[in-house]
This record gives sequence, C-alpha cells and structure tokens, in this order.
Amino acid sequence: EPEVTQTPSHQVTQMGQEVILRCVPISNHLYFYWYRQILGQKVEFLVSFYNNEISEKSEIFDDQFSVERPDGSNFTLKIRSTKLEDSAMYFCARGDSSTYEQYFGPGTRLTVT
Amino acid sequence: DAKTTQPPSMDCAEGRAANLPCNHSTISGNEYVYWYRQIHSQGPQYIIHGLKNNETNEMASLIITEDRKSSTLILPHATLRDTAVYYCIVRSLSGGYQKVTFGTGTKLQVIP
Repeated sequence: EPEVTQTPSHQVTQMGQEVILRCVPISNHLYFYWYRQILGQKVEFLVSFYNNEISEKSEIFDDQFSVERPDGSNFTLKIRSTKLEDSAMYFCARGDSSTYEQYFGPGTRLTVT
Repeated sequence: DAKTTQPPSMDCAEGRAANLPCNHSTISGNEYVYWYRQIHSQGPQYIIHGLKNNETNEMASLIITEDRKSSTLILPHATLRDTAVYYCIVRSLSGGYQKVTFGTGTKLQVIP
C-alpha cells in the first residue's frame, strides 16, 4: 500500500508563529504517527494517534504541540509558537492494521527564522 | 526495545551484494528485527522484518543467526539508488502499534 502524503513540502515561518503541518492518508487508516528529524540527527518519535486520541507521546511533544484529525481524513500537527529549534523535517507515518508496519510520508521541511 | 549496533558506514560496488550487519545481543524472545532505510532527506522506508527465520522479499533478504543476537540485511544486487542510511531496529509488537525508535544506522554508499 502507498504511504501518506504531506503538505506543505516546505514551510518557512517566523519564530513565535503558529504552523500546521498536514498528513493526508491515501485511504482510511486508524493509526498515525509524527516524527521529526533535525538536520544531521536521528529520526525522533513525537506522538502516536489512534482512533482520534493520542496513544503515546515523547518528551519532545510538549504543550506547544498538538495533533488532531479535524475532518476525519487529514491528520494535523500544530506547533503553537515556533522556536528556532523546531526547524526540522517532520514525517507523518501511518500504521498498517495487519502487519503493524509504519509507512512514512515524504516529510515537511519546517524552517523557523 | 533492545539496543542495536551497526557500523557507521559501508561501501559497496554497484551490482554486488551489499551485506549490512547488525548486532542485537540483548534481544528478547518476542522482539522482531526490522530494517528501514532513509534515502537522503526522504521519509524512512520499510524494507523487511523477521523474528527468527530468514526472510526474503522483493527488496532484500534478512538473515538472523540461530541465537538471534545478530542479523544481516542483504541487498543482492546493489544499485546507486540503494545509497541510503540503513536502520536496524529491534521492536516488540506486544500492543501492536508502538513507535519505531531509530538509531544512527549504517550509511551505505554504492559506488559505480
């Protein structure tokens, strides 16, 4: 099965601004994940989301972050007040219901200036 | 999840088999060995996984030692497009949908 798609591919924002990153599933999936990768560093888990609720979150996922699935299709990651250190690639992934595989999207490059 | 150890980098000639090793000496009985790869700045891509038997799919083969303390990912005929960072991950599937924890992986460079 194909992965998810993500929009935008690149987002530039000023420090302190809110950003919303979108993940668009190809079909109806229940499990979603957000990961991020700061340039030159490891891919880090942020949050998992199942059946419209957060099922697990990391230390990185503080009060500045939120996730939701507002219209039953798109899955969004919101950063309320961006900081310079939020600059990273943000990857959305979906979980496969039978194999538990995670299939990643192409990512959104967030640049905070 | 158990920790894995991989060499930081490897080279492979185009058309040759690429053999990427992984040590996971603390793996427990219910943990699977997964391999993902990440081509420059793209999203990680699932390759293959196994529990104790060797596995093969259209992308690669996975050889797991009998004691399960190490494994090898084999790309039978490496191409330039296989240049990527390869991650060996040990993962329990109890509960099914846990996060994937990435390490630093092996940077494979396929040379023409």
